[in-house]
Amino acid sequence: DQQVKQNSPSLSVQEGRISILNCDYTNSMFDYFLWYKKYPAEGPTFLISISSIKDKNEDGRFTVFLNKSAKHLSLHIVPSQPGDSAVYFCAAPTGNQFYFGTGTSLTVIP
Amino acid sequence: AAGVIQSPRHLIKEKRETATLKCYPIPRHDTVYWYQQGPGQDPQFLISFYEKMQSDKGSIPDRFSAQQFSDYHSELNMSSLELGDSALYFCASSPRDLAEYEQYFGPGTRLTVT
Repeated sequence: DQQVKQNSPSLSVQEGRISILNCDYTNSMFDYFLWYKKYPAEGPTFLISISSIKDKNEDGRFTVFLNKSAKHLSLHIVPSQPGDSAVYFCAAPTGNQFYFGTGTSLTVIP
Repeated sequence: AAGVIQSPRHLIKEKRETATLKCYPIPRHDTVYWYQQGPGQDPQFLISFYEKMQSDKGSIPDRFSAQQFSDYHSELNMSSLELGDSALYFCASSPRDLAEYEQYFGPGTRLTVT
């Protein structure tokens, strides 16, 4: 059962615009979330995280928003750049387990 | 819905021993990926299989080997274990051939080498 879900497998955005990647989760015990960026044949690379005690975390062009009541988080990239084109995974670690979403492939069009 | 199954969930081995990790993909998924995540590190891509053939190879040590069987499950064989092999090993499966997205990750196998 997918406890972390990314319902949009792909997203295309014009360069300079905002990219919004969404993630939903079902387990209310999750208290920490991470976003990873992944290129083909490589492992996911940590991008940004958020703790459940916060509803927003910002790092440069990347901002993650957490809505605990809706069990929803989103990653905003603004402005989007062609180099941002990759697959983005959200994940929630808990104890010895690690739950990943299925990924969203972002294409930023120059 | 069925998810990716990894077994065992936890494994403790001593140095120089061997270990075999198993991954059972979601039914009808024909692509399997293996990742290794050390403490505090990003997952590293090890190897992938599509239709029982190796499709891509990442930073997999020569001491490790893997294969995908006719029922699409995959096994990661690790020999001459070292302390540095202690990590969380993820398997992911995909319904699309060689797709980099829509990867369904298993919960991981925690390997501890003492």
